Amino acid sequence: SQQGEEDPQALSIQEGENATMNCSYKTSINNLQWYRQNSGRGLVHLILIRSNEREKHSGRLRVTLDTSKKSSSLLITASRAADTASYFCASVSNDYKLSFGAGTTVTVRA
Amino acid sequence: GAVVSQHPSWVICKSGTSVKIECRSLDFQATTMFWYRQFPKQSLMLMATSNEGSKATYEQGVEKDKFLINHASLTLSTLTVTSAHPEDSSFYICSARGAQTLNSYEQYFGPGTRLTVT
Repeated sequence: SQQGEEDPQALSIQEGENATMNCSYKTSINNLQWYRQNSGRGLVHLILIRSNEREKHSGRLRVTLDTSKKSSSLLITASRAADTASYFCASVSNDYKLSFGAGTTVTVRA
Repeated sequence: GAVVSQHPSWVICKSGTSVKIECRSLDFQATTMFWYRQFPKQSLMLMATSNEGSKATYEQGVEKDKFLINHASLTLSTLTVTSAHPEDSSFYICSARGAQTLNSYEQYFGPGTRLTVT
C-alpha cells in the first residue's frame, strides 16, 4: 500500500491549546479517515470525510479535505491530556483498502 | 457493536517456530479482513486482504509462504507466521469489514498482537 505523509511527525502542546496535523496522500480516494492509537494499542476510528466533502466536525475534532491538493488536516480543539496519542490518516480507495500516513505523535502537557 | 478481537494479545516465540494469530469479528459477519504490520514508531503497512472462502491477496513485498492467511469462516481469519525470525517481531493488527457495511468503507480494527521472536 502507498504511504502518505503526515506533518508534523511530533507535536507537543499545553492542555487547552489546539493541535493541528496535516496529511497528504497519493492516489484518488473514495474517502479519508483519521484514527487515534494509544501507545501499543489498537486503532480507534475518529472521523471519516468523503471525497465530495470539504469539512467535517465531530465534537472537538474538525477535519478538512482538499482533493485538488490531495491533503487533509485534523484539528483538535481545547486539547486534554487524554488526547495524547498517535494520530494517523488513512486514505481509502474504491477497493476498500486503507493506506495509512506516517502518523503524528501528539503529547498534551498538563 | 462491530467489535473485533485478536488472540493472543502478545506472544514470544523462538526463532524458527511458527505462530498463529487469530482475528475474530464478534458481533458481525466479516466478508473481508485485512492484516497489517506495524514496526515501532512507524505506521501501519497493509500485508494482505482476505475474503471469506478464497485465497488472500498479498501486497507487494509480502511473502505469502511465510505469512499464511486463512479466512475459513465469516467471523474468523488467522495469520500464521511460519519459521519466524527476529525481524518478524512486530505489532500485527487485523481489521474487518462486513456485509452490513459494504457501502460504507468502514473497517473495524482489532486491538493488535505483539509478536517478539527471540
